[in-house]
Amino acid sequence: DVKVTQSSRYLVKRTGEKVFLECVQDMDHENMFWYRQDPGLGLRLIYFSYDVKMKEKGDIPEGYSVSREKKERFSLILESASTNQTSMYLCASSSGAVSYNEQFFGPGTRLTVL
Amino acid sequence: QKEVEQDPGPLSVPEGAIVSLNCTYSNSAFQYFMWYRQYSRKGPELLMYTYSSGNKEDGRFTAQVDKSSKYISLFIRDSQPSDSATYLCAMSGLVEYGNKLVFGAGTILRVKS
Repeated sequence: DVKVTQSSRYLVKRTGEKVFLECVQDMDHENMFWYRQDPGLGLRLIYFSYDVKMKEKGDIPEGYSVSREKKERFSLILESASTNQTSMYLCASSSGAVSYNEQFFGPGTRLTVL
Repeated sequence: QKEVEQDPGPLSVPEGAIVSLNCTYSNSAFQYFMWYRQYSRKGPELLMYTYSSGNKEDGRFTAQVDKSSKYISLFIRDSQPSDSATYLCAMSGLVEYGNKLVFGAGTILRVKS
């Protein structure tokens, strides 16, 4: 079974802190994604990556950056956390070059910024 | 206007009811249509996938796509309390679209026993 793990289930940070969210997948998938999920807004894509050291902006990249140094690991970085970044963050991975391939999700990290 | 519109609910039904969940979309380039199910405190999981127009059935679940109306549906027959979850529609175009999925807001479904 594909497994996508995220480093924390719950995280509380203060405004202005630098925050790292880690995601690891164990199925050798090429593609990895970071979403945030907010009530009434669904899943919104922050960044995604097709390959190691490669990244593409999604729909809401402002205030975020990413790093993919190894194929299995995709990190989301909040350079200076703000209260409007309080959200559920979901990591996903998929194989291949086609967008309809199934995305496998991690359990999510609930981030609260005070 | 959002590319994908989905009523967030919540939708509350008695056990055994037929449930209809729907999404509308505006981008005619979408070709692939998916439904993901998300249980509380879990990540979404793919439930069904359909290409272009038509119906697809899997047990108690039926997915329908009407590209002429830009409307997709998920029907759940004989709904069970275990079907209580958030259902998210998702769609994408060809590879050129960017290898991304566009998600609806998700509909919260509660099936009462």
